[in-house]
Amino acid sequence: DSGVTQTPKHLITATGQRVTLRCSPRSGDLSVYWYQQSLDQGLQFLIQYYNGEERAKGNILERFSAQQFPDLHSELNLSSLELGDSALYFCASSAWRRTDTQYFGPGTRLTVL
Amino acid sequence: AQKVTQAQTEISVVEKEDVTLDCVYETRDTTYYLFWYKQPPSGELVFLIRRNSFDEQNEISGRYSWNFQKSTSSFNFTITASQVVDSAVYFCALTTAEADSGYSTLTFGKGTMLLVSP
Repeated sequence: DSGVTQTPKHLITATGQRVTLRCSPRSGDLSVYWYQQSLDQGLQFLIQYYNGEERAKGNILERFSAQQFPDLHSELNLSSLELGDSALYFCASSAWRRTDTQYFGPGTRLTVL
Repeated sequence: AQKVTQAQTEISVVEKEDVTLDCVYETRDTTYYLFWYKQPPSGELVFLIRRNSFDEQNEISGRYSWNFQKSTSSFNFTITASQVVDSAVYFCALTTAEADSGYSTLTFGKGTMLLVSP
């Protein structure tokens, strides 16, 4: 158990809908990262937050957004969902340095029908 | 830009065989960190090891060992006496510590699926 929690574990929704994925980092970690894992793209970095502020952006679509709250939990919002958004979404957390080890949550499997 | 290559897409072995998973990386930075993660069939990503670019000493942890060679930009992972429970996808990853060059992120290889049969 990495100490990172993600909810829900599975999510099935329809095209055009909006969903919110939630992540709680390990105790004491200030950074939260979101990744998308799909069969064709592999593990892709989406976005990073550090202590409530956006720190880095990867290949995140404009339809996706995230935030980190004062209690350091984070939410990833996916809107206008398309079939191609079906993937495993991981949250990871690390202490504070950019090179600190990232510990991953169990993931949320999103299926868009 | 940084890149991680895991040329082996899938490896199949029989239990008790030794197996080595290859990882080759590219970066222009002098300070960087390499990682291995394991993704079992259940789906979670499990951290295995972290190594910085200044520490070329090989590491052994039980049946697992890692060979880091800067001269060949490789960070290979060997499982000795493999077991069925080792069946998983293994990812090699890289991040750099370049000061304020932007925001360093973890770059993953495409993974190697290891199948260990009894």
